[in-house]
Amino acid sequence: GAVVSQHPSWVICKSGTSVKIECRSLDFQATTMFWYRQFPKQSLMLMATSNEGSKATYEQGVEKDKFLINHASLTLSTLTVTSAHPEDSSFYICSARDPGPSSLGNQPQHFGDGTRLSIL
Amino acid sequence: GDSVTQMEGPVTLSEEAFLTINCTYTATGYPSLFWYVQYPGEGLQLLLKATKADDKGSNKGFEATYRKETTSFHLEKGSVQVSDSAVYFCALSGGNQGGKLIFGQGTELSVKP
Repeated sequence: GAVVSQHPSWVICKSGTSVKIECRSLDFQATTMFWYRQFPKQSLMLMATSNEGSKATYEQGVEKDKFLINHASLTLSTLTVTSAHPEDSSFYICSARDPGPSSLGNQPQHFGDGTRLSIL
Repeated sequence: GDSVTQMEGPVTLSEEAFLTINCTYTATGYPSLFWYVQYPGEGLQLLLKATKADDKGSNKGFEATYRKETTSFHLEKGSVQVSDSAVYFCALSGGNQGGKLIFGQGTELSVKP
């Protein structure tokens, strides 16, 4: 089945550091990838939709300059948390939608295993 | 806007018990419906899906039927195992969401031996 690889799985770094998280679709091309944030015991909060070859679409309340998204190829999207602070500590998860032959809403999203980010 | 509501957890069951996790939705158009499972410290895995009314999704003994008349997609399993302990998310996609997934709040399931 479709596989999405997310790297790194765990990051600990000092406040003020910028951290890059990669999301790769391994066996399909993904024109659209999604980035989520999850707090403990809570559901996933969509941060942005990453579109290959164009600017990401951010959800309301998400800082574009804080969370930089680049989707330079059909198999890779990156999320960079710039000048990270302790409040940015969270579990970040990416997903990619396997386009398939069906209409827009029918294909499931496949998720990476997530990145646990801890800012000291 | 579109939304998904799940029954609150945690749900605690004994091994081999019957499981139901309720999920209802509101949506414009004709969404696809999904159940995802998240094991501790991991991302989400697709468990099953249904793309139109009366479709039944099934996988690993879990089932859910897309009920348009009651706007529901309840997850069921006849006999749970300890290894089924996880958080389960109901989600919808399509309608007017442009491919985005709208998640329920998640339901934690704990199965005791």
